[in-house]
Amino acid sequence: DQQVKQNSPSLSVQEGRISILNCDYTNSMFDYFLWYKKYPAEGPTFLISISSIKDKNEDGRFTVFLNKSAKHLSLHIVPSQPGDSAVYFCAATPAHGSSNTGKLIFGQGTTLQVKP
Amino acid sequence: DVKVTQSSRYLVKRTGEKVFLECVQDMDHENMFWYRQDPGLGLRLIYFSYDVKMKEKGDIPEGYSVSREKKERFSLILESASTNQTSMYLCASSFWTGAPGNTIYFGEGSWLTVV
Repeated sequence: DQQVKQNSPSLSVQEGRISILNCDYTNSMFDYFLWYKKYPAEGPTFLISISSIKDKNEDGRFTVFLNKSAKHLSLHIVPSQPGDSAVYFCAATPAHGSSNTGKLIFGQGTTLQVKP
Repeated sequence: DVKVTQSSRYLVKRTGEKVFLECVQDMDHENMFWYRQDPGLGLRLIYFSYDVKMKEKGDIPEGYSVSREKKERFSLILESASTNQTSMYLCASSFWTGAPGNTIYFGEGSWLTVV
């Protein structure tokens, strides 16, 4: 049972345009969400996160939007750069209470290609 | 900077061999994790540990065991390697915060090929 889903395996955009990566989740206990970026042959690195008490979090070119009623989040990259080409993983966790073991549930990943 | 170090980047093992993947973190993190990454499946949790000598099964523990004798070290053991365990293995660590939000930090990954 895939609790976190990234339904688009790949995305290709032109340099300078917006990249939008989507993620859906099913578990209503999730209340903290993260995006990780992964280059080939390297470990994932933390990119940006959002708590369920917010609907938007921004960090430079990266913005994450959360729609709790739809159980959907998205990562916007503006403007996209060739160096952003990587696999992006969405992750979720129940952040409160005894279930907070720090364990993250990841989606399948979306491969972003930004063309010069 | 947080440092999670995986001892072996690339390994080739034979079917039936016992395989040890070692991971060390230098940030005094309570939590440590082993994930595997496979195309189309994302990152799947094998085992995690929230304290020394404590361990819990993740989503795909079959065929694996773990050991955490010291806080900084978390080992993944394949008792009898099989070809379907060919994968990229990622170790990670994080603080136990008990508060909203918890970023985990990954190592560089270990590519294991079982032939």
